[in-house]
Amino acid sequence: DTEVTQTPKHLVMGMTNKKSLKCEQHMGHRAMYWYKQKAKKPPELMFVYSYEKLSINESVPSRFSPECPNSSLLNLHLHALQPEDSALYLCASSQAGTGAYEQYFGPGTRLTVT
Amino acid sequence: KNEVEQSPQNLTAQEGEFITINCSYSVGISALHWLQQHPGGGIVSLFMLSSGKKKHGRLIATINIQEKHSSLHITASHPRDSAVYICAVGPFNEKLTFGTGTRLTIIP
Repeated sequence: DTEVTQTPKHLVMGMTNKKSLKCEQHMGHRAMYWYKQKAKKPPELMFVYSYEKLSINESVPSRFSPECPNSSLLNLHLHALQPEDSALYLCASSQAGTGAYEQYFGPGTRLTVT
Repeated sequence: KNEVEQSPQNLTAQEGEFITINCSYSVGISALHWLQQHPGGGIVSLFMLSSGKKKHGRLIATINIQEKHSSLHITASHPRDSAVYICAVGPFNEKLTFGTGTRLTIIP
């Protein structure tokens, strides 16, 4: 199984809502990533978990809160988002947390904040 | 100056043409990645390479470490190859640095 799954595919939320994005992989990968991608731009790294510990936080606002409950699962909790947070949120995983390993990406969650 | 530069930014070609997309980088790397993204879709990893050349079907990727340059070639291009192709370089930590992408359109 070389698949990274993400749910939901689409999410519309108001600025006062709380929601969560989920990502799962069963490849035994020990590094998992959250990226944000705006239209016609490359992905921007948000967070990296390595061996279930947060190893990189790219100065992401606290309204985004990542969680890695176990080695297969990665969540992104959303609270009090702004319209400019509307984007495609991509999850990825790799065998280990260095740029020398292939990253497998999920299909993404398209988030719209109203 | 971006650490990863891709060219061209946009490319339109006829079906069957040989396609070349270039990537130049300015940092030390452990590996270079070529990624494909279809409109509205997720990202697929095409190649990861640290030296030489790799081939998969109609796709070929090469890298010259001394010149800090990589190319992605598509032979016998097909409309389904229409996508954004992204070059990304991996230094020795977890972060990939992405190029701005090349938007490829293949006309039947």
